[in-house]
Amino acid sequence: QQQVKQSPQSLIVQKGGISIINCAYENTAFDYFPWYQQFPGKGPALLIAIRPDVSEKKEGRFTISFNKSAKQFSLHIMDSQPGDSATYFCAASMKAGTYKYIFGTGTRLKVLA
Amino acid sequence: EADIYQTPRYLVIGTGKKITLECSQTMGHDKMYWYQQDPGMELHLIHYSYGVNSTEKGDLSSESTVSRIRTEHFPLTLESARPSHTSQYLCASTNIGQPNEKLFFGSGTQLSVL
Repeated sequence: QQQVKQSPQSLIVQKGGISIINCAYENTAFDYFPWYQQFPGKGPALLIAIRPDVSEKKEGRFTISFNKSAKQFSLHIMDSQPGDSATYFCAASMKAGTYKYIFGTGTRLKVLA
Repeated sequence: EADIYQTPRYLVIGTGKKITLECSQTMGHDKMYWYQQDPGMELHLIHYSYGVNSTEKGDLSSESTVSRIRTEHFPLTLESARPSHTSQYLCASTNIGQPNEKLFFGSGTQLSVL
């Protein structure tokens, strides 16, 4: 119930292509779904986040699509660039209770020049 | 941007030694967390704190302990390090109720126990 399942584990995309990473959750009490980006040697940093009252959020080349009924959400990176090569984590949290953030298993993205 | 600091950045130590990983934040955040990140990337919550004198164990069982005597400081201690403790340890903080919830992470401590 507390898990967030993320796929794929790794992804290789050509420069200019679209990168898509998917996550699924079970606990309907989750009410906040952020994506974090981690570069080697650094801690993760917030990239974009969504709440379940909207189905899509876009910030620049990054878009979150959210499907509440399917309990799934995904990150789309448009016009992928070599500088986007990093590890991406989806996460989920809930305001009520413990405020714990549950992270997915991560996706290593490599964008080829 | 990130005002959360972890020291040391790298630590190589022998089995049986006591170690303390330091984490400090200057943002006045209430909540602080310790995550263990294995080579497969996955982040496992091992400890968290709601505020001063509040600590809780996370989802992954850990032999480490934490303390929160001051808001800005959340050190993690291993009384007797073992090779199985070799991992990357990440500290994070956030504030309760902020409009755009954001976990701020430190750069991590890479611990190697020989």
